Amino acid sequence: KAGVTQTPRYLIKTRGQQVTLSCSPISGHRSVSWYQQTPGQGLQFLFEYFSETQRNKGNFPGRFSGRQFSNSRSEMNVSTLELGDSALYLCASSLREGGGVDEQFFGPGTRLTVL
Amino acid sequence: GDSVTQMEGPVTLSEEAFLTINCTYTATGYPSLFWYVQYPGEGLQLLLKATKADDKGSNKGFEATYRKETTSFHLEKGSVQVSDSAVYFCALTFTGGFKTIFGAGTRLFVKA
Repeated sequence: KAGVTQTPRYLIKTRGQQVTLSCSPISGHRSVSWYQQTPGQGLQFLFEYFSETQRNKGNFPGRFSGRQFSNSRSEMNVSTLELGDSALYLCASSLREGGGVDEQFFGPGTRLTVL
Repeated sequence: GDSVTQMEGPVTLSEEAFLTINCTYTATGYPSLFWYVQYPGEGLQLLLKATKADDKGSNKGFEATYRKETTSFHLEKGSVQVSDSAVYFCALTFTGGFKTIFGAGTRLFVKA
């Protein structure tokens, strides 16, 4: 079974631009979560989508948004990029069946550098 | 609010030494607890988990016991290897919840 894939793996943008990151979950997984990882702040939760609906959101400004498609693929968008948005963005998928607690499977991440 | 606190790293050990990485949590309710590991250049992967008090999770020689009375989930391994060098994250989530809270991570270096 293929793992979680994220594209692109590396991205360089300049301040003020916008960026879209993509995540394809493991086949059959309906939940996709996004995290931002930086040396200073560690791993911070952005949001989680389940069946195309955002179910929870972390403490990030409205410049960070996401969506999920009917095939469970998810995209994350960051508008008006700031230098502080430079980070590794991780996507994780899980089954979330029956409301139980499921393991999260992480992708390799997208390394975003804002100049 | 809910939170996870891990011991600060880096932790540097010699091969075959005993490892303990402390993790405590604050939660309103009874979460499930996890340890994830991140090897260089990779995403996180689940190492072990425990879903209720007194459960012991174990994998690849690593163990952690869910201690409700001390709100802890310390990671232990009896004999570390160079290949265990990585960053370890303690995390919690709630049944039916849609948010996982991670600790800051503890970097482990194992010297040959």
